[in-house]
Amino acid sequence: SAVISQKPSRDICQRGTSLTIQCQVDSQVTMMFWYRQQPGQSLTLIATANQGSEATYESGFVIDKFPISRPNLTFSTLTVSNMSPEDSSIYLCSVRSGSGTETQYFGPGTRLLVL
Amino acid sequence: QKEVEQDPGPLSVPEGAIVSLNCTYSNSAFQYFMWYRQYSRKGPELLMYTYSSGNKEDGRFTAQVDKSSKYISLFIRDSQPSDSATYLCAMSTYNQGGKLIFGQGTELSVKP
Repeated sequence: SAVISQKPSRDICQRGTSLTIQCQVDSQVTMMFWYRQQPGQSLTLIATANQGSEATYESGFVIDKFPISRPNLTFSTLTVSNMSPEDSSIYLCSVRSGSGTETQYFGPGTRLLVL
Repeated sequence: QKEVEQDPGPLSVPEGAIVSLNCTYSNSAFQYFMWYRQYSRKGPELLMYTYSSGNKEDGRFTAQVDKSSKYISLFIRDSQPSDSATYLCAMSTYNQGGKLIFGQGTELSVKP
């Protein structure tokens, strides 16, 4: 299984500022995914990040708010821009297991609180 | 209507009990069904994976999929305090680009 790390593990930010979350995988992967888990809610896919191409965003998420970089096959960043308290959430990155299934491995998450 | 519905609980059971966790879904195109376990302040961990209908067993865990009823279940036998966590069902269709649709998660507490 892939080992995924995220930085920072948690942060408290002021509204109007931006935070960049890093995701590092211990093996090369084609697709990386970014999810949001709001308090008491299910995980919701924000975008899919492929190396060498623009990220694909899900309905309700836009690049200006959540810019994503994917500079190589083991690393990605998600920026939460111009934050408001509604952005307080857990942000998770994931990768496909590569076993021919649709399963995914998740990182530990970044817990963000916006004041 | 949400694509995937899951009773959020919380569910509290005594140690040794059989636990039944369930999800219903509306999209008949779903073919891949997963259960994840998420401990507090951790990322989701894959527990069980099932393709299409049928049962799958792994130790104390059994996953069932009934596509005719659009209903999936996870059974935990001889539950242990270490099973206390949030359990999330997830599913996807073929060629959905890897997108998983999650249920809300059921919070389970197993009391010693």
